[in-house]
Formats: sequence, C-alpha cells, structure tokens
Amino acid sequence: GQQVMQIPQYQHVQEGEDFTTYCNSSTTLSNIQWYKQRPGGHPVFLIQLVKSGEVKKQKRLTFQFGEAKKNSSLHITATQTTDVGTYFCARSSTTSGTYKYIFGTGTRLKVLA
Amino acid sequence: GAGVSQTPSNKVTEKGKYVELRCDPISGHTALYWYRQSLGQGPEFLIYFQGTGAADDSGLPNDRFFAVRPEGSVSTLKIQRTERGDSAVYLCASSSQGNSPLHFGNGTRLTVT
Repeated sequence: GQQVMQIPQYQHVQEGEDFTTYCNSSTTLSNIQWYKQRPGGHPVFLIQLVKSGEVKKQKRLTFQFGEAKKNSSLHITATQTTDVGTYFCARSSTTSGTYKYIFGTGTRLKVLA
Repeated sequence: GAGVSQTPSNKVTEKGKYVELRCDPISGHTALYWYRQSLGQGPEFLIYFQGTGAADDSGLPNDRFFAVRPEGSVSTLKIQRTERGDSAVYLCASSSQGNSPLHFGNGTRLTVT
C-alpha cells in the first residue's frame, strides 16, 4: 500500500541529546516532505527532498534521502525544549499528473529539561 | 499575508446531523487538500482539488462525505448523517502547485455526540 512507516513512534530525550526519526517506504519515492506539528497545532512544513542521497541542513536539523529513495531521516542535534512536537514525513503519490500527499505515522518527541 | 483559514474552529453536533466545514486557502493557491486527523495519528488524506475539480477523492471514507470548490478558491467539506466515528480534527491545506509545500489551516475540531 501507500502507507509510510515512521520509527520510533515515541522518543523521550534529555535536553542536549540528539534525536533521529526514520521514514521507510516499500516503494520508491518521487520526493519526501517533512513536517512538524506542535502540541495543539497544525503541521508546518520543514523541508522537501527530491534527489537520491540528498542531504539538507537547517541549523540543528539534518534531513537525508536514501540512495534508493525508499527511506529518509531527520536528525536533530542537541535537542532543545522548543523541538517538542510530532514529526511527520509525507510522500507524494502522483497519478496522471495529480499530487496527493500521504503522511507517515509520525514520531512524537518529548524533550526533558 | 493571510494563511489558510478554517471555520468554525470547533463544531459540536448530534449524531445524524449534517455539518459543513469551510476552508479559505491562501490567495492564488490552486491546490487544496482536506485531511482528517484523530488523536495521536497522522493526517489522513481525504480529497485533493486542483482548481475547481476534485483531482483525487479516493480518501473520502464513504458517500456521506462530499467536498466542493466551485470557484477554485474556498472549499466546503460536507458530512451527512454524522456518526460518532467522524469526530476528529479536519485539516485543510493549500499549495501553490502540485509539488509544493502544504500550508495547513488550524483545523476544525468536530465532535459528534
């Protein structure tokens, strides 16, 4: 199916520790997007990856797209309490030139001060 | 500029009633999406509009759900004969084109009693 699996489902870290979430697909992805949803908020776009093996950085966040374009990861260095939230990957599913985005199951991050 | 606006923010209705949820996308965005999110879950795709037409409605759970976007801007999600299982946050998102980031509204929290 089109489900995108994310692991882990939950992660609790001490402030200052690193955090990584993984997004896995059984089929090749044309692109992958990452979103962050704060508690009580709505998903907010972080980044889009398109190329095989692509790596992008945003301050303490590093995003990778696998060489086979079947997996992606988000790594946060030295977490802060502001990083709390749920991180979702989303894959596009294209049919006849139309786009719909299927969201992963999400990883809920809790940062302990 | 203004973001995606959804009204109402909260809606409580009795089982069996009809409800309409409204989404006002970012001006100029041609693509509009409806998602449903239950507690602790990722956004579940419902329908995607490109312009006025529904490009993909494969996520609508059954024929009680219907959505329109008559002028290619504002969209309305309509749910007939509501059931308690319809209770969720309904999220709307828009994007400038098919392969662009999604901009989400704050959602409508629907509670069916």
